[in-house]
Amino acid sequence: QSALTQPASVSGSPGQSITISCTGTSSDVGGYDYVSWFQQHPGKAPKLIIYDVSSRPSGVSNRFSGSKSGHTASLTISGLQAEDEAEYYCSSFASTSILLFGGGTTLIVL
Amino acid sequence: QLQLQESGPGLVKPSETLSLTCTVSGGSISSNTYYWGWMRQPPGKGLEWVGSISYTGVTHHSPSLKSRVTISVDTSKNQLSLKLSSVTAADTAVYYCARHQGGSGITCTDVWGQGTTVTVSS
Repeated sequence: QSALTQPASVSGSPGQSITISCTGTSSDVGGYDYVSWFQQHPGKAPKLIIYDVSSRPSGVSNRFSGSKSGHTASLTISGLQAEDEAEYYCSSFASTSILLFGGGTTLIVL
Repeated sequence: QLQLQESGPGLVKPSETLSLTCTVSGGSISSNTYYWGWMRQPPGKGLEWVGSISYTGVTHHSPSLKSRVTISVDTSKNQLSLKLSSVTAADTAVYYCARHQGGSGITCTDVWGQGTTVTVSS
């Protein structure tokens, strides 16, 4: 199975909202409510920020939210802050019990 | 607080076997609530799932790596291990171990190690 599709980069100004998409197929994103989102700063390990499409782990800001429509999941970051500048990855559980990742999206805070 | 720490050789020769260990502290690897997995990230590239295992030894592997990957758990040492055979330069990456939980075992990856860099070169 192929990796999930994410835009290479998105940008926004402080205070604005941005949305990152993650497109898959009926065998992964469209077939299960098991989409996660990770934030990764340079040189650091990924950090879970959204799981099960729209749930937030304890301690993650409520500025981060997730949703899904059909084969596409989305991560929205509201009230953009400089510290949000990072790489963002989606992942999805897929049929035959495998885990797929998206190619990653660079968020640039202008 | 659960912590995961990867360890192993930073340099492996082509065609040899890469061997890594992940030590789990602050919690037990012997829990039927969790799976434990390996991910990797080549330099400047995205994340790739390698495979995962339950403490009872049920494994799931990336189809593209399945023939070369062996993942195991040592409950007495609270450790997870990864062996990747016949390595090439394409296997050069930061390797992360992580904890999974969720409805189908590996649906949520909630705790990650700091990662260890492995370079394949002669």
